[in-house]
Amino acid sequence: DTEVTQTPKHLVMGMTNKKSLKCEQHMGHRAMYWYKQKAKKPPELMFVYSYEKLSINESVPSRFSPECPNSSLLNLHLHALQPEDSALYLCASSQKQGVAYGYTFGSGTRLTVV
Amino acid sequence: ELKVEQNPLFLSMQEGKNYTIYCNYSTTSDRLYWYRQDPGKSLESLFVLLSNGAVKQEGRLMASLDTKARLSTLHITAAVHDLSATYFCAVGDSGGGADGLTFGKGTHLIIQP
Repeated sequence: DTEVTQTPKHLVMGMTNKKSLKCEQHMGHRAMYWYKQKAKKPPELMFVYSYEKLSINESVPSRFSPECPNSSLLNLHLHALQPEDSALYLCASSQKQGVAYGYTFGSGTRLTVV
Repeated sequence: ELKVEQNPLFLSMQEGKNYTIYCNYSTTSDRLYWYRQDPGKSLESLFVLLSNGAVKQEGRLMASLDTKARLSTLHITAAVHDLSATYFCAVGDSGGGADGLTFGKGTHLIIQP
């Protein structure tokens, strides 16, 4: 299995809702990432997990809460989002160690906040 | 702070022509990535460049890396319509740890028949 699987593919939520995005990989990668991509913009790094521990938080508002329950699974919990949080949310994974590692991206969750 | 600059940001070209996209970055890094993104889709990995002088080719696309100049290029040869997409370069830091990527703004490429 060489894929990163993200669910759901599309999500519409109200500003008072609580929802979660899910990301799963079975490649044995020990680093996992969340990126946010607004329309016509590049992806921006949100969080990095390394060996199931949060190692980078790029000053993301607390309404976004990441969780890494095990080495294969990464969640992003959403609460009290704003319309400007509407974007494509991309999950990625990579091998932690070794020089020649690349990143595998999931197909993304397109989030609309109404 | 790592900065990645791509140019041009928009490119309209005719089929059969050649062109080059440039990617400059601000700090030392030995890992440079090129991705393609189609509208509404995720990122497709094109090339991973890991050393000075690295050159990789796949079909009509060729990428190179000059770490001393902090410059990577993506060359398109005899463009075809199917190559229309947005192309991003991205840089990882040189620490070798589980860092994330910093992306350029992307080059929106349109290839006209």
